[in-house]
Amino acid sequence: EDQVTQSPEALRLQEGESSSLNCSYTVSGLRGLFWYRQDPGKGPEFLFTLYSAGEEKEKERLKATLTKKESFLHITAPKPEDSATYLCAVPIISNFGNEKLTFGTGTRLTIIP
Amino acid sequence: DSGVTQTPKHLITATGQRVTLRCSPRSGDLSVYWYQQSLDQGLQFLIQYYNGEERAKGNILERFSAQQFPDLHSELNLSSLELGDSALYFCASSRTSGASYNEQFFGPGTRLTVL
Repeated sequence: EDQVTQSPEALRLQEGESSSLNCSYTVSGLRGLFWYRQDPGKGPEFLFTLYSAGEEKEKERLKATLTKKESFLHITAPKPEDSATYLCAVPIISNFGNEKLTFGTGTRLTIIP
Repeated sequence: DSGVTQTPKHLITATGQRVTLRCSPRSGDLSVYWYQQSLDQGLQFLIQYYNGEERAKGNILERFSAQQFPDLHSELNLSSLELGDSALYFCASSRTSGASYNEQFFGPGTRLTVL
């Protein structure tokens, strides 16, 4: 069954302590993997799109990488304002036969000053 | 600011009632998507419209319906509301192409509370 799984569910880091979030997927014929950031009560904010294994994208303290089985969101020297839930998503063929963007359950990241 | 607008921001109503949520996509985007986010279910895809036509469907309840108008704005209608329909409802838009799956940009959401 096609699916997307994120780990860990929650992560607490000290300010400046680098770490990585994981998104693993089982999809045949990946047509993109998307990372979003979501603050409480707000809409998800688009961060990155990755299409091919080996691809990397960077934005400020965030870097996303992609392999054939998983993606990592690396956060370097995080600051308290990086605290948010990070979601990954992949297009998956639904039970209705159409393609839909399926989100993982997210990693809730807390950066402690 | 993603460029996607949603109204209203908050909606409080009673069980059995009907409500309409409105979404305006980013300029130039032809696809509109609706999602429901509740604490126990995460972000769930409901339905997609492309240039006025239904393109894809998720686990949308029969009590829910949507449409996209000629000016590309979209409305999500929720009827016979139940307590369990309380959630955040998001609209997203994208420039859809056939070769690749494009990123979606989300609006600020409508928080629906059913009492």
